[in-house]
Amino acid sequence: AQKVTQAQTEISVVEKEDVTLDCVYETRDTTYYLFWYKQPPSGELVFLIRRNSFDEQNEISGRYSWNFQKSTSSFNFTITASQVVDSAVYFCALTPYGQNFVFGPGTRLSVLP
Amino acid sequence: AAGVIQSPRHLIKEKRETATLKCYPIPRHDTVYWYQQGPGQDPQFLISFYEKMQSDKGSIPDRFSAQQFSDYHSELNMSSLELGDSALYFCASSLGSGPNEKLFFGSGTQLSVL
Repeated sequence: AQKVTQAQTEISVVEKEDVTLDCVYETRDTTYYLFWYKQPPSGELVFLIRRNSFDEQNEISGRYSWNFQKSTSSFNFTITASQVVDSAVYFCALTPYGQNFVFGPGTRLSVLP
Repeated sequence: AAGVIQSPRHLIKEKRETATLKCYPIPRHDTVYWYQQGPGQDPQFLISFYEKMQSDKGSIPDRFSAQQFSDYHSELNMSSLELGDSALYFCASSLGSGPNEKLFFGSGTQLSVL
């Protein structure tokens, strides 16, 4: 069985602060895929990143960066110099195959001006 | 660029009624996924189709059925609606069914059961 935990239910930061969203997962599969999705107030789900279990290389994309540590089963997401437009619910998700994700409960990020 | 289109955007039904939600994937996408997101909840996988065949099944109630048609659009049929079915229903599509394919979500259908 797979499980995704996002311990932070809500986070509030002031604009330009850095913020890290935690994601811890459980799976017995040796091959699996991890994702982050953003759900802004408008409701749609926006793909941010995909990682497979064999690739522990951290990734940076603009103000976003991801730290994948297989040893601790974590896939944390950091936003640098946060902006008001970053305010959204962020979901971490896991799948052993396909795209039938198991989503975490989400972290609501509020970036205050 | 064309995105995943879901209709209707909002739907209000009463208990025990039926509802049909439609999903039009991005052109050339052959895989469709349905997710249900209850108020304040994370999305839950319901069912998926690849090349018009059911490819995977999640927590879809027996009262629900779905299919993918020859033009790759998909419909989620919901019968004997219950209050707990009130949720945002997402459809997503991809080209191919593997995890390396990028998944594109529609804006969702907000179903309210009264």
